[in-house]
Amino acid sequence: DAGVTQSPTHLIKTRGQHVTLRCSPISGHKSVSWYQQVLGQGPQFIFQYYEKEERGRGNFPDRFSARQFPNYSSELNVNALLLGDSALYLCASSPAPLRGANVLTFGAGSRLTVL
Amino acid sequence: SQQGEEDPQALSIQEGENATMNCSYKTSINNLQWYRQNSGRGLVHLILIRSNEREKHSGRLRVTLDTSKKSSSLLITASRAADTASYFCATDAISYFGPNAGGTSYGKLTFGQGTILTVHP
Repeated sequence: DAGVTQSPTHLIKTRGQHVTLRCSPISGHKSVSWYQQVLGQGPQFIFQYYEKEERGRGNFPDRFSARQFPNYSSELNVNALLLGDSALYLCASSPAPLRGANVLTFGAGSRLTVL
Repeated sequence: SQQGEEDPQALSIQEGENATMNCSYKTSINNLQWYRQNSGRGLVHLILIRSNEREKHSGRLRVTLDTSKKSSSLLITASRAADTASYFCATDAISYFGPNAGGTSYGKLTFGQGTILTVHP
């Protein structure tokens, strides 16, 4: 059974460009979350989607957006890239949200470098 | 912003020794989880402890939770070189607003800064 898959694994962009990151959750998982991990820090929550609806948003600017498709895969979009957007972007999936017990399965991440 | 503080930031031990990592957090929680990350790759879930539990074991892992002090510790016994990784605590906070008030936060976890564990063979 495939785990959470993310693409691309690495990418390099320049300031002002746009990037789209993709995520396929574990089969049967309907919830997808996105996290940003800057080097040397813990992951920070960006978005959470369940049943194609946004259920949570972290403290990130409007340049960050996401969506979830009918097959539960997801995209994270970042516009007008800044140097500070360089990070490892992690996607995580989980089954339907459980009260008090959300365990996340993470993908390997997409490492974005902004020059 | 990070919810928790982890202590120590880095820990270096010999194989066979025990490793203890601590985590403090700020808000009321549904549960606290520990994750492991190898070399900047994806995180792997290790163990979850609910807010009404005080101690939990899984193999060589022992987790404690003190909600009065808003702190947790992870103990890895008889460490191995393969345990070398970064370890993160993450809290699943109680939602007080919105359609899920009083329940889980739909998988929004707040991570600490992490502890880098190095186990020397």
